[in-house]
Amino acid sequence: DIQMTQSPSSLSASVGDRVILTCRASQSVNKYLSWYQLRPGKAPKLLIYATSSLQSGVPSRFSGGTSETGFTLTISDLQPDDFATYYCQQTYSPPWTFGQGTRVEVK
Amino acid sequence: QVQLQESGPGLVKPLQTLSLSCNVSGASVTSGSYYWSWIRQPAGERLEWIGQVYTSGSTIYSPSLRSRATVSLDTSKNQVFLTVTSVTAADTAVYYCARSVTPHGGLDYWGLGTLVTVSS
Repeated sequence: DIQMTQSPSSLSASVGDRVILTCRASQSVNKYLSWYQLRPGKAPKLLIYATSSLQSGVPSRFSGGTSETGFTLTISDLQPDDFATYYCQQTYSPPWTFGQGTRVEVK
Repeated sequence: QVQLQESGPGLVKPLQTLSLSCNVSGASVTSGSYYWSWIRQPAGERLEWIGQVYTSGSTIYSPSLRSRATVSLDTSKNQVFLTVTSVTAADTAVYYCARSVTPHGGLDYWGLGTLVTVSS
């Protein structure tokens, strides 16, 4: 199985901040990397697919990309609804696997 | 608007079979090229993908469940089913159904999830 590792496990931020979440795969996943937002009592929400494609209806303050350390999810101008847990997922090679999550908390 | 809703017994005894259904509205489970997945999340742990069924009925599964899981479609009710046999406490989790439109795509619609507890 491909192992997905996210960092940090949690971070504290304020409304208006820019935060960058990172996800690293144990082997190549090509471009098949998605990001999800999970909030209590809500259905999980797809934010980004294929590394950098913004899912329809998702605010443009969310963006996906790559860096030297792996895949990134950037949230610019953090809003109150953005305090949540974020997961990456690879869909390159089954079984599809998820990272352990990054919790974005209020500072 | 596509909506998914999971349902099933909240409590299952050890070694019994867990059966969940996912009611789909706003999309057909058999017409259209969709992949329907089940994912679960034990408390405090990461999401775990269980398996998926394509519109045609073809399936793939995670080896971690060691062939205990079956994902299927009910075309008459427009539902997706999950069964997991010989459950143990390790199968206690929130179970989600979700949809993707390509084989390697993201899961664009999810249900709210349903908690299943395995306990005697």
